[in-house]
Amino acid sequence: AQSVTQLGSHVSVSEGALVLLRCNYSSSVPPYLFWYVQYPNQGLQLLLKYTSAATLVKGINDFEAEFKKSETSFHLTKPSAHMSDAAEYFCAVSDKYSSASKIIFGSGTRLSIRP
Amino acid sequence: DVKVTQSSRYLVKRTGEKVFLECVQDMDHENMFWYRQDPGLGLRLIYFSYDVKMKEKGDIPEGYSVSREKKERFSLILESASTNQTSMYLCASSWGRGFSNQPQHFGDGTRLSIL
Repeated sequence: AQSVTQLGSHVSVSEGALVLLRCNYSSSVPPYLFWYVQYPNQGLQLLLKYTSAATLVKGINDFEAEFKKSETSFHLTKPSAHMSDAAEYFCAVSDKYSSASKIIFGSGTRLSIRP
Repeated sequence: DVKVTQSSRYLVKRTGEKVFLECVQDMDHENMFWYRQDPGLGLRLIYFSYDVKMKEKGDIPEGYSVSREKKERFSLILESASTNQTSMYLCASSWGRGFSNQPQHFGDGTRLSIL
């Protein structure tokens, strides 16, 4: 069965610092991978997705993620944090050979930005 | 842009009541999903539907049922509400069955409190 693990339920960085949110997946074949962001009192918004094309994926608001098959990882990064990046971030995985179209979500990482 | 609309942002009900949560999407998506979100647990799938009048159980269907009479509308029903169903409920939609590379689009959520 597929699963996704987000390391660190809470990450705090200073404004202007690098953001790194970690995600590892467990799957017998490379899956499709997604990062979502949830701002307070809102639903989830798609940041970016990996669907077997380029391994470095660029998303909205200068976020990017790199798919590393050897490490079964899909970590999310942003070179310089802004206060507006404070939110909860979810990594998610989908089985490309399943007809179910279901997505499995990680438990989330809350990102805080220090002034 | 895809629009997924949940009928209520906040809802307060009493134990034993029958509760209806409504969700409408405007992009002719075939797939629709209901999740509940609790701190530290991420998103857990309650039910999903691939087509009108079709439904499948997710990971935590106990105490819930669903209805999909029209393609654009997916309702979650709490047959007899209990306090442990106090949670944030999120509705999502996506393209047809088998399109595992397509992301899900979320509504803003309904924060349900059962007293």
